[in-house]
Amino acid sequence: AQRVTQPEKLLSVFKGAPVELKCNYSYSGSPELFWYVQYSRQRLQLLLRHISRESIKGFTADLNKGETSFHLKKPFAQEEDSAMYYCALSRRYGGSQGNLIFGKGTKLSVKP
Amino acid sequence: GAGVSQSPSNKVTEKGKDVELRCDPISGHTALYWYRQRLGQGLEFLIYFQGNSAPDKSGLPSDRFSAERTGESVSTLTIQRTQQEDSAVYLCASSPIAGARNTGELFFGEGSRLTVL
Repeated sequence: AQRVTQPEKLLSVFKGAPVELKCNYSYSGSPELFWYVQYSRQRLQLLLRHISRESIKGFTADLNKGETSFHLKKPFAQEEDSAMYYCALSRRYGGSQGNLIFGKGTKLSVKP
Repeated sequence: GAGVSQSPSNKVTEKGKDVELRCDPISGHTALYWYRQRLGQGLEFLIYFQGNSAPDKSGLPSDRFSAERTGESVSTLTIQRTQQEDSAVYLCASSPIAGARNTGELFFGEGSRLTVL
């Protein structure tokens, strides 16, 4: 069964400290993974996708198929990074994008 | 409007009543998704539409829940005989389909907060 696990419900760090939000997945096919973020009083929005191998707002995430992980990292956390972060896995139907399965989310709190 | 629109934004109902939640996706987006987010919980997948058909409705929690989509546009999520455990924020999202592979980006609405007393 497809599953996304985010083991930490809450992660609290000080400004300038490195941050790593953990995500593990189980999926029988070739996974497509994403990180979504929800800032206070804003809509849930895409942060980054593994396929793009991009860095957004200083965040990066590498897909590790051996460890079935897709951890989100940032070397120096900022107060504005405080938000709820969700890891998501895409299921495919035929050749098309299917629904996303989300983890339970990790609340990141960056203290001054 | 440019974004996904959901209504009502807030609904308080009595146990046993039926409710309808509406989602207007971004124009031209062929995929539409419903998720449920209970307090303190993650996003729970309910149903996914591609066009007007639903290839995956595996997340609907019971036969009290149903959803439809018409004109490859508006979708309605209906909950019959509501129970207190149905209290949650119901999120709708849409995405374009770009050929056989799309970007995987879902565009979310602000949600409909349902409270069942």
